[in-house]
Amino acid sequence: GAGVSQSPSNKVTEKGKDVELRCDPISGHTALYWYRQSLGQGLEFLIYFQGNSAPDKSGLPSDRFSAERTGGSVSTLTIQRTQQEDSAVYLCASSLAGTLQETQYFGPGTRLLVL
Amino acid sequence: AQSVTQLDSHVSVSEGTPVLLRCNYSSSYSPSLFWYVQHPNKGLQLLLKYTSAATLVKGINGFEAEFKKSETSFHLTKPSAHMSDAAEYFCVVSLVKYNFNKFYFGSGTKLNVKP
Repeated sequence: GAGVSQSPSNKVTEKGKDVELRCDPISGHTALYWYRQSLGQGLEFLIYFQGNSAPDKSGLPSDRFSAERTGGSVSTLTIQRTQQEDSAVYLCASSLAGTLQETQYFGPGTRLLVL
Repeated sequence: AQSVTQLDSHVSVSEGTPVLLRCNYSSSYSPSLFWYVQHPNKGLQLLLKYTSAATLVKGINGFEAEFKKSETSFHLTKPSAHMSDAAEYFCVVSLVKYNFNKFYFGSGTKLNVKP
C-alpha cells in the first residue's frame, strides 16, 4: 500500500518568506509526527497529532512554526518569516494509534534551504 | 536531561566482521526502544523494537539488539557486516512525559563498511 508522502521534496526560499510543507500519512493512521533533521544531527521532535486530541506542540522551536491536521489526515507544517537556521530536512511520520510501542512510518522528507 | 545517547557518531568495520552500535537510555520506567536505519537519500525504516517482551530482539537484515535494564543499554549488533549495511542508525526511546507519548531519537551513528 501507499506509504507516507511529503511535498515538496525540495524547497528553496529566501529569508523572510513563508513556506508550507505537506504530509499525507498512511490511510487509517491516527497519529502523525513532524520532525526536523539538521545536518549532522539527529531527529528533533516538532509536533505530534493524535486523533482528535489536542496536539503536542512542545517541540516547536518558535512561534514562527505552526502545524495543522485537517480531517484527521493531511497535515501542513508552516514556517513563517523563514530564517537560515530553519534549513533542514523536515520529516513526517505516521503510526496506527500513536501508542508507545508502535512503529512509525516515515516519509521521504522535505529538504528546505533558506537563502 | 538526555533520554537516549548513542555513544559513537561514526563506526567503521570491514565487510564480514561484527557490528556493534551502542545505545544507552535514561528512563524512570521500562521504556519501549527502537532502532531505525536511514540509508542515503532514503527514509527512515524500522530495524527492530523492544516492547517489554523478550529482551533479545531480532530485526531485519540479521540485526539484533539486547535490552539490558541493569546497564540501561540497547546495543545493536550483527555478526557479519555487509556492504549494504552502510547507513545511519538511530536509537529511539519512547515514554510518557507530561501525559504525552514522547519519542526521543539519539543523534545517530554512521556505519561505514569497508570492502
